[in-house]
Amino acid sequence: DTGVSQDPRHKITKRGQNVTFRCDPISEHNRLYWYRQTLGQGPEFLTYFQNEAQLEKSRLLSDRFSAERPKGSFSTLEIQRTEQGDSAMYLCASSYQAGGEQYFGPGTRLTVT
Amino acid sequence: SQQGEEDPQALSIQEGENATMNCSYKTSINNLQWYRQNSGRGLVHLILIRSNEREKHSGRLRVTLDTSKKSSSLLITASRAADTASYFCALSGNTPLVFGKGTRLSVIA
Repeated sequence: DTGVSQDPRHKITKRGQNVTFRCDPISEHNRLYWYRQTLGQGPEFLTYFQNEAQLEKSRLLSDRFSAERPKGSFSTLEIQRTEQGDSAMYLCASSYQAGGEQYFGPGTRLTVT
Repeated sequence: SQQGEEDPQALSIQEGENATMNCSYKTSINNLQWYRQNSGRGLVHLILIRSNEREKHSGRLRVTLDTSKKSSSLLITASRAADTASYFCALSGNTPLVFGKGTRLSVIA
């Protein structure tokens, strides 16, 4: 399977702990996106990369969130000092063209207790 | 808001019927995309229509775009139970994709 993969699929953590998620995009895609989705809402843009460069971050993204794509391949999203409001599905997507169709991974469901 | 707004929020139809959902927006766009999300397959791209296109077909899907009215519609013909999902429009402009809240479609067998 050469689709977008995410790990872990589920994460339960206690408030105040740090968590890190990984995304492996489709290998030919140089653009990688992170979204957050809560129940009954559409995906909300967090940040995106073109190769290893982080080109845009949502203004809604707090300083507790950081993302990297060190070699322009896989990406990690870290949330420090998690809060209950961080509970959501975190989706990763990749694309070949800017503004083109995006291919989504299965998501990582985060529950903060 | 830059996001599209889907209408209706929820739709329930019988198998074999057609389903139409709409998306309205306020900003300029380069293209508009429709995605489907169900529990089994996650979020999947359905169709992309560029701002200079008025209609596009893909299998049982028909999408229209009216840039003067800033609206788009997605028609699913001869619906099947497997079409049960949430459908989102996503706007592509100068910023990364902006998704609406979606239309929840239930197709009853």
